[in-house]
Amino acid sequence: DVKVTQSSRYLVKRTGEKVFLECVQDMDHENMFWYRQDPGLGLRLIYFSYDVKMKEKGDIPEGYSVSREKKERFSLILESASTNQTSMYLCASSYRTGVRSGANVLTFGAGSRLTVL
Amino acid sequence: GDSVTQMEGPVTLSEEAFLTINCTYTATGYPSLFWYVQYPGEGLQLLLKATKADDKGSNKGFEATYRKETTSFHLEKGSVQVSDSAVYFCALREYGGSQGNLIFGKGTKLSVKP
Repeated sequence: DVKVTQSSRYLVKRTGEKVFLECVQDMDHENMFWYRQDPGLGLRLIYFSYDVKMKEKGDIPEGYSVSREKKERFSLILESASTNQTSMYLCASSYRTGVRSGANVLTFGAGSRLTVL
Repeated sequence: GDSVTQMEGPVTLSEEAFLTINCTYTATGYPSLFWYVQYPGEGLQLLLKATKADDKGSNKGFEATYRKETTSFHLEKGSVQVSDSAVYFCALREYGGSQGNLIFGKGTKLSVKP
């Protein structure tokens, strides 16, 4: 069964701490994504990566950075956590789409619920 | 930019009731359209998809038809079950989008009572 695995389901951190959220996929997908999910706001894209060492900003990158040193692993980093970063974080992956390819499918992990005190 | 608007919830139904969750979109070109479902405590999973106008996606008794003329992709099910209680997200991907990113609606929470 193909999987996207997020290392931590629940984390509690203090303001100012550095936080790492890890995501690993076993499907040899080129694309990987980090979304943030908040009630009433839906899913918002933080960063995505379409290849090793490549990254692109999404809609809300401020306060976050990412790392992709290996194809299967995509890390989200909060350099100095703040209370407004308390949220559910979802990692996803997909094959790279071509200009004329059919609809592609994102496969999501179970999510990491982060609380910043 | 592209966007997705779906009906706000929560939606509460009795078992065996008919379900409609409205979704409309704004996009240039010809997007692909998706419905994802999130069960309590889990990540999102694909429910169904449609890639071109008049396509109908279906899965687990759910259906949605890609209507270009009304820019809609409404989700329907004829008879809901308690196990359908979840949050449903409508999403689109721009045609030709090389990175595969999806734009999501805000989600609609469905609760089905026995």
